[in-house]
Amino acid sequence: KQEVTQIPAALSVPEGENLVLNCSFTDSAIYNLQWFRQDPGKGLTSLLLIQSSQREQTSGRLNASLDKSSGRSTLYIAASQPGDSATYLCAVKQSNAGKSTFGDGTTLTVKP
Amino acid sequence: GAGVSQTPSNKVTEKGKYVELRCDPISGHTALYWYRQSLGQGPEFLIYFQGTGAADDSGLPNDRFFAVRPEGSVSTLKIQRTERGDSAVYLCASSSPGLARNEQFFGPGTRLTVL
Repeated sequence: KQEVTQIPAALSVPEGENLVLNCSFTDSAIYNLQWFRQDPGKGLTSLLLIQSSQREQTSGRLNASLDKSSGRSTLYIAASQPGDSATYLCAVKQSNAGKSTFGDGTTLTVKP
Repeated sequence: GAGVSQTPSNKVTEKGKYVELRCDPISGHTALYWYRQSLGQGPEFLIYFQGTGAADDSGLPNDRFFAVRPEGSVSTLKIQRTERGDSAVYLCASSSPGLARNEQFFGPGTRLTVL
């Protein structure tokens, strides 16, 4: 059974800092890994998706990496802004046709 | 609209009542997923549809929960004899498995409160 862990559960940083969020998974036979952002009381917004054959994906100030062999992914946020404050979730899919398994998220607070 | 929509956005009901939650996926997406999210936790898988059929319902907690997707588009999650422990946000997502990326897109969720 796939298990996904995100550490830390919460993180507070001053504006402008670069930061890394971590996601680890127990079964390395994955199809893809997706990072989401969730604002309080809202649904999930997709940030980045990494296919199993890829090592990283970039979008603006965000960079996600994937190391299947070690069961890890990181989300790097450059030059953090107060608007980045949210909960970040990672989700692992083990087949094209099937469910995702989520971590419990990292709640990020960026202080002005 | 272009995204996944869910109705109602909020539902308050009494213990023992029956509720229906609706999901409208992105047009053309053949895959539809239901998840449940409790406070402070990540979404937990309930059921996955490919077209009209439930391809994986292993996440449904018990037989009080049932979901349908009769025409391969809109889906309804049905909960009978609701219990206080059913209180959560119910999220729906859709995707297109025919595409290599098969990215999931989520709706805003329905917040269910059982009194």
